[in-house]
Amino acid sequence: KQEVTQIPAALSVPEGENLVLNCSFTDSAIYNLQWFRQDPGKGLTSLLLIQSSQREQTSGRLNASLDKSSGRSTLYIAASQPGDSATYLCAVVNAGNMLTFGGGTRLMVKP
Amino acid sequence: NAGVTQTPKFRVLKTGQSMTLLCAQDMNHEYMYWYRQDPGMGLRLIHYSVGEGTTAKGEVPDGYNVSRLKKQNFLLGLESAAPSQTSVYFCASTDRVNTEAFFGQGTRLTVV
Repeated sequence: KQEVTQIPAALSVPEGENLVLNCSFTDSAIYNLQWFRQDPGKGLTSLLLIQSSQREQTSGRLNASLDKSSGRSTLYIAASQPGDSATYLCAVVNAGNMLTFGGGTRLMVKP
Repeated sequence: NAGVTQTPKFRVLKTGQSMTLLCAQDMNHEYMYWYRQDPGMGLRLIHYSVGEGTTAKGEVPDGYNVSRLKKQNFLLGLESAAPSQTSVYFCASTDRVNTEAFFGQGTRLTVV
C-alpha cells in the first residue's frame, strides 16, 4: 500500500524567504507526482505535475523535483509572498490508477 | 468549460437518511475519483472509476456506493448516513493516469 508523508505539517516564514516543502512516498513504482494548493474552504488546484521519467518541473516561482528511486519530492517556493499562504499537498499515481495524497503542509507567510 | 462541478455544496442529514452527491465533468475525462477530507486524516480515496460503467473501491469504501452510468457523471451514494460520514467530499477527474487531476469545490456534509 502506497503511503505518502509530508514534512513539516506546518510552516511559518517571513515574506521574501525561500522555502522547501518535502514529500516522501513508500512505493517508487509511480506514474507521476503532483503538487496541489488548497485554500481554506476551497478545492484543490494543481500546481505542478512531474512524470515518473522527469526530474523536475518549474512554474514561475515554484520548482518541484522528483527522485523516484529514493521516494522523495520537494517543492521549492522562491521569494515567498503572503498570497502563498495555503495548504500544499503532494499526491502520487501508481499501479491501480489511484491518486494517493500526503497529509499536507500548512504554510503561513507573514508580511 | 466549467471543469468539475459538485452538487450540492452543503447538506445536513439526519442519521439514517440517504442522499446522492453528484459530480459532473465536461472535459471528457476517463478517470473520476471521490475523496473525503477530514481534519488530521488528509484526503482519503472512497471509490474511483477508470471509465464509463466501471467502478472500484478505494481506501475507505464502507458505507458508500457509486455509479458511473455516463462518462461525465460520477455519483456517490450514502444509503444510511452515520455521524462518522460527516466530512468534506471532493470529486476529481483526470484524462489519463499521467495527466493532471482537476478537483471540484467540495461538498460539506454534516450528519446529525
